[in-house]
Amino acid sequence: DIQMTQSPSSLSASGGDRVTITCRASQTISSHLNWYQQKPGKAPTLLIYAASSLQSGVPSRFSGGGSGTDFTLTINSLQPEDFATYYCQQSYSTPYTFGQGTKLDIK
Amino acid sequence: EVQLAESGGGVVQPGGSLRLSCAASGFTFSNYAMNWVRQAPGKGLEWVSTVTGSGGSAYYADSVRGRFTISRDDSRRTVNLQMNSLRADDTAVYYCAKQSLSLVRGIRHNNMDVWGRGTTVIVSS
Repeated sequence: DIQMTQSPSSLSASGGDRVTITCRASQTISSHLNWYQQKPGKAPTLLIYAASSLQSGVPSRFSGGGSGTDFTLTINSLQPEDFATYYCQQSYSTPYTFGQGTKLDIK
Repeated sequence: EVQLAESGGGVVQPGGSLRLSCAASGFTFSNYAMNWVRQAPGKGLEWVSTVTGSGGSAYYADSVRGRFTISRDDSRRTVNLQMNSLRADDTAVYYCAKQSLSLVRGIRHNNMDVWGRGTTVIVSS
């Protein structure tokens, strides 16, 4: 199975900040990497697919990058609604493993 | 509007069974693979199972293989998860999610682009 490791596990930031979350795969997954946002008590929503493609309706302050084993999710100019937990997920092969999550909260 | 709605969750004793359903609307259901993903209390997301658009293939996490069965009924636009021999560590919110296929730079990528609100399963004596 492909293991996905996110860092950091938690992150404190202020409105207007730029933050970057990293995700590492235990083997190469090309660009088969998705990012999801989850708010407390809600279902996850898709932010980024294929490592760097922005899902329709997602603000352009979100961006993704990387390929192979190392990936990033960057949020520019944090807004109040961005404080949430973020998960990466590999779609290269089943089992479709998720990272453990990165909780982004207000400093 | 594309929507998914799960049902069937509840409290069940260890060793018992439960059948979850997910009703889909707003898209051509038969064209898409469907997934079940779960989240234990205070934990992260765990992929559980996928059934292909044709229903011809099903895939399972090791933790549920042999105990859970995914199926779909395209005429009713539903995907189901039959859960047998339930254990305490199956306690979770279970989400169904539509699998979308995108072509990016000539390569096909899949993702879970629409999720239901989830249904809660508690396995406890």
